[in-house]
Amino acid sequence: GQNIDQPTEMTATEGAIVQINCTYQTSGFNGLFWYQQHAGEAPTFLSYNVLDGLEEKGRFSSFLSRSKGYSYLLLKELQMKDSASYLCAVRDSNYQLIWGAGTKLIIKP
Amino acid sequence: GAVVSQHPSRVICKSGTSVKIECRSLDFQATTMFWYRQFPKKSLMLMATSNEGSKATYEQGVEKDKFLINHASLTLSTLTVTSAHPEDSSFYICSAKGAVYDYEQYFGPGTRLTVT
Repeated sequence: GQNIDQPTEMTATEGAIVQINCTYQTSGFNGLFWYQQHAGEAPTFLSYNVLDGLEEKGRFSSFLSRSKGYSYLLLKELQMKDSASYLCAVRDSNYQLIWGAGTKLIIKP
Repeated sequence: GAVVSQHPSRVICKSGTSVKIECRSLDFQATTMFWYRQFPKKSLMLMATSNEGSKATYEQGVEKDKFLINHASLTLSTLTVTSAHPEDSSFYICSAKGAVYDYEQYFGPGTRLTVT
Protein backbone atom coordinates (compact mmCIF):
# COMPACT_ATOMS: atom_id res chain seq x y z
CA GLY A 1 0.00 0.00 0.00
CA GLN A 2 0.95 3.64 -0.20
CA ASN A 3 2.19 5.32 2.94
CA ILE A 4 3.47 8.70 4.06
CA ASP A 5 5.01 8.93 7.53
CA GLN A 6 5.76 12.11 9.44
CA PRO A 7 5.92 12.84 13.16
CA THR A 8 2.63 13.73 14.79
CA GLU A 9 3.88 16.66 16.79
CA MET A 10 7.07 18.67 17.35
CA THR A 11 7.96 21.53 19.66
CA ALA A 12 10.59 24.19 19.01
CA THR A 13 11.68 27.54 20.39
CA GLU A 14 11.19 30.90 18.74
CA GLY A 15 14.30 31.87 16.78
CA ALA A 16 15.56 28.29 16.55
CA ILE A 17 15.68 25.81 13.65
CA VAL A 18 13.45 22.76 13.25
CA GLN A 19 13.52 19.89 10.77
CA ILE A 20 10.34 17.97 9.96
CA ASN A 21 10.97 14.60 8.34
CA CYS A 22 8.78 12.73 5.89
CA THR A 23 9.28 9.21 4.56
CA TYR A 24 7.18 7.74 1.84
CA GLN A 25 6.37 4.50 0.07
CA THR A 26 4.26 5.07 -3.01
CA SER A 27 3.55 3.44 -6.34
CA GLY A 28 5.68 5.69 -8.46
CA PHE A 29 6.91 9.19 -7.76
CA ASN A 30 6.11 12.44 -9.52
CA GLY A 31 7.08 15.01 -6.96
CA LEU A 32 6.83 15.77 -3.26
CA PHE A 33 5.03 18.72 -1.76
CA TRP A 34 5.05 20.48 1.58
CA TYR A 35 2.04 22.47 2.72
CA GLN A 36 1.41 24.59 5.80
CA GLN A 37 -2.01 24.44 7.42
CA HIS A 38 -3.13 26.67 10.27
CA ALA A 39 -5.93 25.37 12.44
CA GLY A 40 -9.30 25.68 10.74
CA GLU A 41 -7.79 26.87 7.48
CA ALA A 42 -6.94 25.27 4.16
CA PRO A 43 -3.37 24.24 3.34
CA THR A 44 -1.04 26.69 1.65
CA PHE A 45 1.73 25.60 -0.69
CA LEU A 46 5.29 25.80 0.64
CA SER A 47 7.53 23.79 -1.65
CA TYR A 48 7.83 21.24 -4.42
CA ASN A 49 10.72 18.80 -4.97
CA VAL A 50 10.99 16.41 -7.86
CA LEU A 51 14.78 16.06 -8.11
CA ASP A 52 17.18 15.10 -5.33
CA GLY A 53 18.65 17.92 -3.35
CA LEU A 54 17.80 21.00 -1.40
CA GLU A 55 15.37 23.71 -2.46
CA GLU A 56 15.69 26.91 -0.48
CA LYS A 57 12.99 29.53 -0.25
CA GLY A 58 13.63 32.19 2.35
CA ARG A 59 13.39 30.76 5.86
CA PHE A 60 12.07 27.47 4.54
CA SER A 61 14.06 24.75 2.76
CA SER A 62 12.99 21.34 1.55
CA PHE A 63 15.21 18.37 0.83
CA LEU A 64 14.51 15.23 -1.18
CA SER A 65 16.25 11.87 -1.54
CA ARG A 66 14.30 9.70 -3.94
CA SER A 67 16.49 6.64 -3.39
CA LYS A 68 15.72 6.77 0.34
CA GLY A 69 12.09 7.79 -0.03
CA TYR A 70 12.84 10.67 2.29
CA SER A 71 12.26 14.39 2.53
CA TYR A 72 12.56 17.03 5.19
CA LEU A 73 11.29 20.55 5.64
CA LEU A 74 13.69 22.87 7.41
CA LEU A 75 12.39 26.00 9.09
CA LYS A 76 14.90 28.59 10.26
CA GLU A 77 14.55 31.62 12.53
CA LEU A 78 11.27 30.28 13.82
CA GLN A 79 8.49 32.76 14.48
CA MET A 80 5.37 32.28 16.55
CA LYS A 81 3.27 32.45 13.37
CA ASP A 82 5.02 29.30 12.16
CA SER A 83 2.92 27.33 14.66
CA ALA A 84 0.84 25.19 12.31
CA SER A 85 0.54 21.73 10.86
CA TYR A 86 2.92 20.82 8.06
CA LEU A 87 1.68 18.33 5.52
CA CYS A 88 3.88 16.19 3.31
CA ALA A 89 2.28 14.91 0.10
CA VAL A 90 3.64 12.74 -2.71
CA ARG A 91 2.29 12.54 -6.23
CA ASP A 92 2.27 8.94 -7.38
CA SER A 93 2.49 7.34 -10.81
CA ASN A 94 -1.17 8.16 -11.46
CA TYR A 95 -0.51 11.80 -10.57
CA GLN A 96 -2.63 11.40 -7.45
CA LEU A 97 -1.57 13.25 -4.31
CA ILE A 98 -1.02 10.95 -1.35
CA TRP A 99 -1.13 12.94 1.89
CA GLY A 100 0.62 12.44 5.18
CA ALA A 101 -1.32 13.06 8.37
CA GLY A 102 0.64 16.22 9.08
CA THR A 103 3.05 17.32 11.77
CA LYS A 104 1.76 19.78 14.32
CA LEU A 105 4.53 22.25 15.09
CA ILE A 106 4.31 24.12 18.38
CA ILE A 107 6.55 27.17 18.78
CA LYS A 108 7.35 28.33 22.31
CA PRO A 109 8.68 31.77 23.23
CA GLY B 1 -1.00 34.50 -6.84
CA ALA B 2 -3.96 32.35 -7.74
CA VAL B 3 -6.98 32.68 -5.45
CA VAL B 4 -9.64 30.09 -4.81
CA SER B 5 -12.75 30.95 -2.84
CA GLN B 6 -15.28 28.72 -1.17
CA HIS B 7 -18.77 29.49 -0.02
CA PRO B 8 -20.10 29.14 2.57
CA SER B 9 -17.25 29.03 5.08
CA ARG B 10 -19.46 27.46 7.72
CA VAL B 11 -22.84 25.80 7.48
CA ILE B 12 -25.09 24.06 9.96
CA CYS B 13 -27.91 21.99 8.58
CA LYS B 14 -30.46 19.50 9.82
CA SER B 15 -30.18 15.82 9.12
CA GLY B 16 -31.88 14.89 5.85
CA THR B 17 -31.37 18.21 4.12
CA SER B 18 -28.97 18.96 1.27
CA VAL B 19 -26.13 21.45 1.29
CA LYS B 20 -24.32 22.98 -1.67
CA ILE B 21 -20.73 24.20 -1.42
CA GLU B 22 -19.27 26.41 -4.13
CA CYS B 23 -15.64 26.56 -5.16
CA ARG B 24 -14.46 29.35 -7.44
CA SER B 25 -11.12 30.18 -9.02
CA LEU B 26 -11.09 33.96 -8.93
CA ASP B 27 -8.27 35.00 -11.21
CA PHE B 28 -7.53 31.98 -13.35
CA GLN B 29 -9.31 29.26 -15.25
CA ALA B 30 -9.26 25.88 -13.58
CA THR B 31 -9.92 22.94 -15.84
CA THR B 32 -9.39 20.59 -12.92
CA MET B 33 -10.63 21.01 -9.38
CA PHE B 34 -10.35 18.63 -6.45
CA TRP B 35 -12.64 18.06 -3.50
CA TYR B 36 -11.17 16.93 -0.20
CA ARG B 37 -12.55 16.04 3.16
CA GLN B 38 -10.59 16.41 6.36
CA PHE B 39 -11.45 15.02 9.76
CA PRO B 40 -10.00 16.64 12.88
CA LYS B 41 -6.28 16.01 13.22
CA LYS B 42 -6.36 13.80 10.16
CA SER B 43 -4.93 14.03 6.70
CA LEU B 44 -6.73 15.33 3.66
CA MET B 45 -8.82 12.68 1.95
CA LEU B 46 -9.42 13.15 -1.77
CA MET B 47 -13.08 12.63 -2.56
CA ALA B 48 -13.19 13.37 -6.26
CA THR B 49 -11.50 15.03 -9.18
CA SER B 50 -13.66 17.39 -11.15
CA ASN B 51 -12.96 18.27 -14.77
CA GLU B 52 -14.79 21.08 -16.49
CA GLY B 53 -17.53 19.83 -18.78
CA SER B 54 -17.27 16.18 -17.81
CA LYS B 55 -18.31 13.88 -15.02
CA ALA B 56 -16.28 13.88 -11.85
CA THR B 57 -14.00 10.98 -11.02
CA TYR B 58 -14.76 9.70 -7.54
CA GLU B 59 -12.33 7.93 -5.24
CA GLN B 60 -13.08 4.47 -4.02
CA GLY B 61 -15.57 4.47 -1.17
CA VAL B 62 -17.04 7.89 -1.98
CA GLU B 63 -20.74 7.71 -2.84
CA LYS B 64 -21.44 9.48 -6.12
CA ASP B 65 -25.14 9.87 -5.41
CA LYS B 66 -24.50 11.38 -2.03
CA PHE B 67 -21.75 13.80 -2.98
CA LEU B 68 -22.84 15.41 -6.24
CA ILE B 69 -20.15 17.34 -8.05
CA ASN B 70 -20.74 19.72 -10.90
CA HIS B 71 -18.01 21.59 -12.76
CA ALA B 72 -20.05 23.61 -15.20
CA SER B 73 -17.53 26.33 -15.97
CA LEU B 74 -13.80 26.94 -15.87
CA THR B 75 -14.14 28.93 -12.66
CA LEU B 76 -16.82 27.11 -10.69
CA SER B 77 -17.25 23.67 -9.21
CA THR B 78 -19.95 22.73 -6.72
CA LEU B 79 -20.25 19.92 -4.20
CA THR B 80 -23.74 19.05 -2.99
CA VAL B 81 -24.04 16.85 0.06
CA THR B 82 -27.45 15.23 -0.35
CA SER B 83 -29.57 13.95 2.53
CA ALA B 84 -26.87 14.93 4.99
CA HIS B 85 -26.32 12.94 8.17
CA PRO B 86 -24.29 13.78 11.26
CA GLU B 87 -21.44 11.56 10.04
CA ASP B 88 -21.09 13.89 7.04
CA SER B 89 -19.99 16.64 9.41
CA SER B 90 -16.47 17.54 8.36
CA PHE B 91 -14.18 20.15 6.86
CA TYR B 92 -14.55 20.17 3.09
CA ILE B 93 -11.79 21.76 1.03
CA CYS B 94 -11.60 22.35 -2.69
CA SER B 95 -8.50 23.02 -4.70
CA ALA B 96 -7.81 24.01 -8.26
CA LYS B 97 -4.96 22.93 -10.44
CA GLY B 98 -2.69 25.80 -11.44
CA ALA B 99 -2.97 27.14 -14.94
CA VAL B 100 0.78 27.53 -15.50
CA TYR B 101 2.57 24.80 -13.57
CA ASP B 102 0.84 21.47 -13.32
CA TYR B 103 2.34 20.75 -9.92
CA GLU B 104 0.63 23.75 -8.39
CA GLN B 105 -2.58 23.27 -6.51
CA TYR B 106 -4.37 26.18 -4.89
CA PHE B 107 -6.70 25.52 -2.01
CA GLY B 108 -9.89 27.25 -1.06
CA PRO B 109 -10.37 28.31 2.57
CA GLY B 110 -12.58 25.31 3.34
CA THR B 111 -16.16 24.82 4.47
CA ARG B 112 -17.00 23.56 7.94
CA LEU B 113 -20.18 21.48 7.68
CA THR B 114 -22.06 20.51 10.82
CA VAL B 115 -25.11 18.28 10.47
CA THR B 116 -27.37 18.21 13.51
